[in-house]
Amino acid sequence: AQKITQTQPGMFVQEKEAVTLDCTYDTSDQSYGLFWYKQPSSGEMIFLIYQGSYDEQNATEGRYSLNFQKARKSANLVISASQLGDSAMYFCAMRGGGTASKLTFGTGTRLQVTL
Amino acid sequence: GAVVSQHPSWVICKSGTSVKIECRSLDFQATTMFWYRQFPKQSLMLMATSNEGSKATYEQGVEKDKFLINHASLTLSTLTVTSAHPEDSSFYICSARDSGRFGEQYFGPGTRLTVT
Repeated sequence: AQKITQTQPGMFVQEKEAVTLDCTYDTSDQSYGLFWYKQPSSGEMIFLIYQGSYDEQNATEGRYSLNFQKARKSANLVISASQLGDSAMYFCAMRGGGTASKLTFGTGTRLQVTL
Repeated sequence: GAVVSQHPSWVICKSGTSVKIECRSLDFQATTMFWYRQFPKQSLMLMATSNEGSKATYEQGVEKDKFLINHASLTLSTLTVTSAHPEDSSFYICSARDSGRFGEQYFGPGTRLTVT
């Protein structure tokens, strides 16, 4: 069984600052993928970043980077230079056992960017 | 990135009626689509996995006779909520898996169903 844990129900960050959203996972699979999605108030799930379990380098996509620590089973999302438009729910998700498997989501973190 | 559309974006129906929600992958073919349900301030709950040309695989606790899923083509999957009741009111989100790269999942904008 796979499990994703997001321990921060809510986070505040000032505009232009960096913020880290925590995510830990548990799986017995050797091959797995980790995802982060953003869900604004409109409800749409927006893909942000992906990290494969065998990727040696941390994934980066623009202002998003994933701090992948395999031994600790953590996959924290770092957002640099926060913008007001970053205010949303953020979900960490995991898929194990190859690309045919389903995603397991964490409970999410609500990020609020302030002036 | 790839686009997944969902229709309708919101629907209000009377108790006892059926509602059909469509999910389309617009610029890629999706052999696998997923249907999720999300309650307010909660995470996404997978309802079923839909494979083109075959029967859907339902998660434990999801009534397959109530939530009918059809994946008729590589770009279209439908979810029909039959004999809807107020407790079926929720936000329903579909997702389509791109067979390329790392099997990235793209999500539709969701459908808010309210049963009165």
